[in-house]
Amino acid sequence: EAGVAQSPRYKIIEKRQSVAFWCNPISGHATLYWYQQILGQGPKLLIQFQNNGVVDDSQLPKDRFSAERLKGVDSTLKIQPAKLEDSAVYLCASSPGPNEKLFFGSGTQLSVL
Amino acid sequence: DQQVKQNSPSLSVQEGRISILNCDYTNSMFDYFLWYKKYPAEGPTFLISISSIKDKNEDGRFTVFLNKSAKHLSLHIVPSQPGDSAVYFCAAISRGSTLGRLYFGRGTQLTVWP
Repeated sequence: EAGVAQSPRYKIIEKRQSVAFWCNPISGHATLYWYQQILGQGPKLLIQFQNNGVVDDSQLPKDRFSAERLKGVDSTLKIQPAKLEDSAVYLCASSPGPNEKLFFGSGTQLSVL
Repeated sequence: DQQVKQNSPSLSVQEGRISILNCDYTNSMFDYFLWYKKYPAEGPTFLISISSIKDKNEDGRFTVFLNKSAKHLSLHIVPSQPGDSAVYFCAAISRGSTLGRLYFGRGTQLTVWP
């Protein structure tokens, strides 16, 4: 069974630039999550999708972050413009449904200079 | 507001000995707890879980204990092996919530030395 796929693995940008991350969840998983993990901290939920609808984006900085999950399959997370404090690993996860075990991708390491 | 706390950022244990990783939580609505393991440059992988209706769950060398009155859980690894060296995250969720948000602790770096 293929796992959660994410790209790119690494990204280095300058502040005020924009960046986008892509995620393809495990086939058949209805719930998709984007987490931000800052060095030394645990993953923090940014946004949760159920199929192609947003069910929780309360911790997403909406002035600069956006995410979509068209057709209820893969998803993109965008940051525009990036700030220094956005440097983190961005993890995508999926699960068959809410309240079920999460499967994580390998993440995208973002460095904002 | 850290609802799940792992107060030990690191733990070093000799191979063959027991590793005990601790986790505390503050939200009494949490009813399901999970441990994830993370190697460098990889995403977290699920290790073991426990429901609040139990106080112990065992899977091979890994056992998780839950003390609801103390809002405390621990992960025991016996015997520890060098391949267990990783960051371990404790996570909790309220399954009664429609949102199903998983809250993570900051992680504990376990190092198992030969």
